[in-house]
Amino acid sequence: AQSVAQPEDQVNVAEGNPLTVKCTYSVSGNPYLFWYVQYPNRGLQFLLKYITGDNLVKGSYGFEAEFNKSQTSFHLKKPSALVSDSALYFCAVKTDKLIFGTGTRLQVFP
Amino acid sequence: DAGVTQSPTHLIKTRGQQVTLRCSPKSGHDTVSWYQQALGQGPQFIFQYYEEEERQRGNFPDRFSGHQFPNYSSELNVNALLLGDSALYLCASSLMRLSSHEQYFGPGTRLTVT
Repeated sequence: AQSVAQPEDQVNVAEGNPLTVKCTYSVSGNPYLFWYVQYPNRGLQFLLKYITGDNLVKGSYGFEAEFNKSQTSFHLKKPSALVSDSALYFCAVKTDKLIFGTGTRLQVFP
Repeated sequence: DAGVTQSPTHLIKTRGQQVTLRCSPKSGHDTVSWYQQALGQGPQFIFQYYEEEERQRGNFPDRFSGHQFPNYSSELNVNALLLGDSALYLCASSLMRLSSHEQYFGPGTRLTVT
């Protein structure tokens, strides 16, 4: 069965420090992978996607993600966190439909 | 360029009632997908409409139905509401011919069933 796992319910990081939000997936074939961010009482905003090509994908707001086929992971990263990055982050995989993980709440402290 | 819009923003219904939610896709998009996001959960795929037909469906009962109009806008109907239907309902639009099927989400409709 196709699935996405986000093993951390919450990630805490100090402003200015690097951040990583983890995601692993289980699908057959080559997946399309996505990261979305959700602010309170808002819909999901697209951050970045991996379709093919370079394993390091750059996206919006300084975020990037690293695709690792052998580890079936697609971790979200940012070199220097901002307080305004605090939000709920969802990893998703697209096969015939978009399957989301359960989300990771990122809290960036001043 | 207008993004995805949804109406209403909030809705309160009673168990057993019926509800209709509406979505207008991003300009240029022809495909609409609906998702249910329960509190503390990730969005769950309900169904997708393209060319006014339901193309894919997730694991939701027949109480959930939809429609797509010639202008690509869409409605989600839920009959015989249950307390468990309380959730944020998200609409997403995309362009079918793009193989990546990148989806753009609306702000959602918060449905509360009492």
